Amino acid sequence: DAGVIQSPRHEVTEMGQEVTLRCKPISGHNSLFWYRQTMMRGLELLIYFNNNVPIDDSGMPEDRFSAKMPNASFSTLKIQPSEPRDSAVYFCASTPSRVAAYNEQFFGPGTRLTVL
Amino acid sequence: AQSVAQPEDQVNVAEGNPLTVKCTYSVSGNPYLFWYVQYPNRGLQFLLKYITGDNLVKGSYGFEAEFNKSQTSFHLKKPSALVSDSALYFCAVRDYSGGYQKVTFGTGTKLQVIP
Repeated sequence: DAGVIQSPRHEVTEMGQEVTLRCKPISGHNSLFWYRQTMMRGLELLIYFNNNVPIDDSGMPEDRFSAKMPNASFSTLKIQPSEPRDSAVYFCASTPSRVAAYNEQFFGPGTRLTVL
Repeated sequence: AQSVAQPEDQVNVAEGNPLTVKCTYSVSGNPYLFWYVQYPNRGLQFLLKYITGDNLVKGSYGFEAEFNKSQTSFHLKKPSALVSDSALYFCAVRDYSGGYQKVTFGTGTKLQVIP
């Protein structure tokens, strides 16, 4: 199994531009998570999906952020417009459990976003 | 909300010595606790979890963790540290915030194993 796949691995963009991060979870996993990691705030859960449906988006910082999961094998996290404070490493993770808190999560390698 | 605390930002240990990375938790109900490791420029990797049963949980790479209900702790341990164990370690707990079950991570502890 290839594990969780994220693209791009690195993204450098200018303030105001739209950024789209992509994730392919492990086949057969029911739940998908988007996290953001920064030195200041550590690892933050942004949103998670179960069976392609957003369950909890309370961690999404503001309306500039949106996430979709059109099918079981693909999810996107979009930032529009981007700001320098969005610079972080964004992780996608998946788990086979319908109840996300019972099982280990499998993390992708992350996308390092730099907004100039 | 359920939470975990990792009181040490960094732990230094000599290679071959035992290591402990501390975690305390605050939960209502039965705790579900996890440890993850993050190597540089990588995503987090699962090490072990406690759901129920024996208080001593064994995990990957020779790590183990001891669940202590009276002290509300779940410390990560290894009898003999390797230089390759140097990484960032996260404790995590099942969280019911907002009516949904999810996992909340601690702030992380950087482990430095000195040759």
